[in-house]
Amino acid sequence: DVKVTQSSRYLVKRTGEKVFLECVQDMDHENMFWYRQDPGLGLRLIYFSYDVKMKEKGDIPEGYSVSREKKERFSLILESASTNQTSMYLCASRLAAQETQYFGPGTRLLVL
Amino acid sequence: GNSVTQMEGPVTLSEEAFLTINCTYTATGYPSLFWYVQYPGEGLQLLLKATKADDKGSNKGFEATYRKETTSFHLEKGSVQVSDSAVYFCALSDPRRGSTLGRLYFGRGTQLTVWP
Repeated sequence: DVKVTQSSRYLVKRTGEKVFLECVQDMDHENMFWYRQDPGLGLRLIYFSYDVKMKEKGDIPEGYSVSREKKERFSLILESASTNQTSMYLCASRLAAQETQYFGPGTRLLVL
Repeated sequence: GNSVTQMEGPVTLSEEAFLTINCTYTATGYPSLFWYVQYPGEGLQLLLKATKADDKGSNKGFEATYRKETTSFHLEKGSVQVSDSAVYFCALSDPRRGSTLGRLYFGRGTQLTVWP
């Protein structure tokens, strides 16, 4: 079974803090993705990575950055958290040759 | 561009009722189509998919048929159960087949609640 894990299920941070969200997959997948999920807006793609040290902006990259130093790990960074970044963050991964993405359980982030 | 439109919820049904969740799409090429499900407190998991026109995806009693002429991929189940209560997302893949930059485009999700 594919396993995608995220470092925290719930996180509370203060405005202006630097926040790291970690995602790890154990199936040697080349591609990894970060989404945020908000009520009524569905899933929106923040960033994705098609290989180690590679990254591409998604639809809403402003206020976020990413890091992919190892194939199994994809980190989402909020350089200076703001209240409008309160959301559910979902990580996903897939093999480059396949279309199905596998999702982690999500991190619910609250920025006060 | 690529986009997915699915019916707004919430949808509330009694157990054993028939379910339809509508999904239509816009794409520049010939995408694959997906339904993902998100149970309370969990991430998304693939429910079913179809990769070409007239294909039918099915799983756990759910079905959806890829209709190119109507650009639709409606989700159906003949008899829902309380355990089907979840949020359902329709999605399409970037039509650039074989591209390592392929990505999914999601609809906004439909909340389904089934009462006993």
